[in-house]
Amino acid sequence: AQKITQTQPGMFVQEKEAVTLDCTYDTSDPSYGLFWYKQPSSGEMIFLIYQGSYDQQNATEGRYSLNFQKARKSANLVISASQLGDSAMYFCAMTLRKRDDKIIFGKGTRLHILP
Amino acid sequence: NAGVTQTPKFRILKIGQSMTLQCTQDMNHNYMYWYRQDPGMGLKLIYYSVGAGITDKGEVPNGYNVSRSTTEDFPLRLELAAPSQTSVYFCASSSPMLTDTQYFGPGTRLTVL
Repeated sequence: AQKITQTQPGMFVQEKEAVTLDCTYDTSDPSYGLFWYKQPSSGEMIFLIYQGSYDQQNATEGRYSLNFQKARKSANLVISASQLGDSAMYFCAMTLRKRDDKIIFGKGTRLHILP
Repeated sequence: NAGVTQTPKFRILKIGQSMTLQCTQDMNHNYMYWYRQDPGMGLKLIYYSVGAGITDKGEVPNGYNVSRSTTEDFPLRLELAAPSQTSVYFCASSSPMLTDTQYFGPGTRLTVL
């Protein structure tokens, strides 16, 4: 069965430092997609970045990059040069996009950026 | 382009009451989902649909019902509301493409007293 694990319930990071949020996943299917979402205190879910299981390169979107290590089944989110506005809850998610399949989310990591 | 819209934004129910949470998307997405998010927790999938007329249970379906008569709409019905259903409910939609993200609605904050 699919599973997403985020082992860091909370993190405190100094502003302008880089941050790595951990995510490990478990699936026996060779074709899958991994996502990261940001949920600020206002509550909306904001898509950040996507990585496909067959993608050869790590995904990047501005200050966000996904450190994809397929053999270790990890998909860590890296935020470079953190900003106060990065304080939020971050969720890792996985999809197989097949009929009868369920998209699942990890429990999230709450990131606090300190001034 | 409105994306995914949800109504109402807030609702307070008494124990035993029923209500329907509305969700509409205008992106012609086949896939639609209902999640609940309890305070300080992640999202749990309640029900999902891969197309009109097709629905499947997620992780926490008890106490809820859904229907999908059109591509655009995916209402969530709560029968006999219980305090355990106090939560924020998110509707989302996506295309079947593996690379496509889910687009989330703004959420409905439900309190059952």
